[in-house]
Amino acid sequence: GAGVSQSPSNKVTEKGKDVELRCDPISGHTALYWYRQRLGQGLEFLIYFQGNSAPDKSGLPSDRFSAERTGESVSTLTIQRTQQEDSAVYLCASSLAARNYGYTFGSGTRLTVV
Amino acid sequence: SQELEQSPQSLIVQEGKNLTINCTSSKTLYGLYWYKQKYGEGLIFLMMLQKGGEEKSHEKITAKLDEKKQQSSLHITASQPSHAGIYLCGADLEYGNKLVFGAGTILRVKS
Repeated sequence: GAGVSQSPSNKVTEKGKDVELRCDPISGHTALYWYRQRLGQGLEFLIYFQGNSAPDKSGLPSDRFSAERTGESVSTLTIQRTQQEDSAVYLCASSLAARNYGYTFGSGTRLTVV
Repeated sequence: SQELEQSPQSLIVQEGKNLTINCTSSKTLYGLYWYKQKYGEGLIFLMMLQKGGEEKSHEKITAKLDEKKQQSSLHITASQPSHAGIYLCGADLEYGNKLVFGAGTILRVKS
């Protein structure tokens, strides 16, 4: 597609439930990134994919968070046993290569845990 | 990220006035990106700066990179209500990895 697509755009879930967030990067972009943005705060790095591998998972806040990427394309961020502090906008970005090629962001998924 | 400090945190200006937002890094900059975000929306790419002394302009927005100071500034001339939003700087601080972001600057433009 023309841009980075994220789905769903909004998700409300009950505390303790699992959620899956999807990111469709720009075709041909080998690098993919997940960020979290809490209300009124900047972007917090979660994980980076180069191809289907994740060389940097340092930002994942706990073992409840995991992500995978398949076919060097779609990525899924999974949050298990959601907590209220997981409420945030989750943003995905893709880039032609790992660095200095520009990063295109999706519109994000707004997750609300009630 | 504490590696990137943005100032000011928020700014209210009268329409037509100029303003500057700063982004300072505690580490060497390999690339500096400016994005704009409106509430509830994704990030809109504004500019990318890679070389010391580089300056880029788009419409009424100009960004400069001072590599020695590890700092970038974003300047808006003759601000308009359409400039309102959150401005975020992001930087490549190490090879081949990720962007780290500042906390953002909230800009409001009064008509």
